[in-house]
Amino acid sequence: GIQVEQSPPDLILQEGANSTLRCNFSDSVNNLQWFHQNPWGQLINLFYIPSGTKQNGRLSATTVATERYSLLYISSSQTTDSGVYFCAVAPYSSASKIIFGSGTRLSIRP
Amino acid sequence: DAGVTQSPTHLIKTRGQHVTLRCSPISGHKSVSWYQQVLGQGPQFIFQYYEKEERGRGNFPDRFSARQFPNYSSELNVNALLLGDSALYLCASSWGPDDTEAFFGQGTRLTVV
Repeated sequence: GIQVEQSPPDLILQEGANSTLRCNFSDSVNNLQWFHQNPWGQLINLFYIPSGTKQNGRLSATTVATERYSLLYISSSQTTDSGVYFCAVAPYSSASKIIFGSGTRLSIRP
Repeated sequence: DAGVTQSPTHLIKTRGQHVTLRCSPISGHKSVSWYQQVLGQGPQFIFQYYEKEERGRGNFPDRFSARQFPNYSSELNVNALLLGDSALYLCASSWGPDDTEAFFGQGTRLTVV
């Protein structure tokens, strides 16, 4: 089955810093989403981005489907950005099943 | 508009017991999927239902079953609970079966003792 790898696994930054999170996937996908999981477990939708680039405030994402990767950019980090960021894909071979990466744990220090 | 709602939010069960978890999708969404998330890992796909039919099943034992009702709400049932079933169970709602954005509920945290 498709493999989804996220890097780095952990990231510790000072408030105000910028960061780039990466998601690599091993096969063609129907769609790709980025989520932020808060300390209470809620998965918050950040981007639905099968291809191209999107921006929402301090966050932006780019997916290059032909090269099988996606990047999530966070600028001017705030302590509320802390948490786990997940990339999730729906493979062409089984589009009903969303496969999650293992996540990047981001800690923003004041 | 209400998002995806799950009940209960927390649950403690004893090994060998049965549990039923419930999910109401976003109004207008016809697809519901279930995921299990154990501590330190990403969510793992269990089932997807669309228009009351099972569309996909993950690598989980037959102790796990689910169904979707005419109002598109869904139940996840787990029989003969094991300690290893302790996890956060997440429900996702989407408009269609494929190619559409999924939205998640707050989850049910199940502890098996």
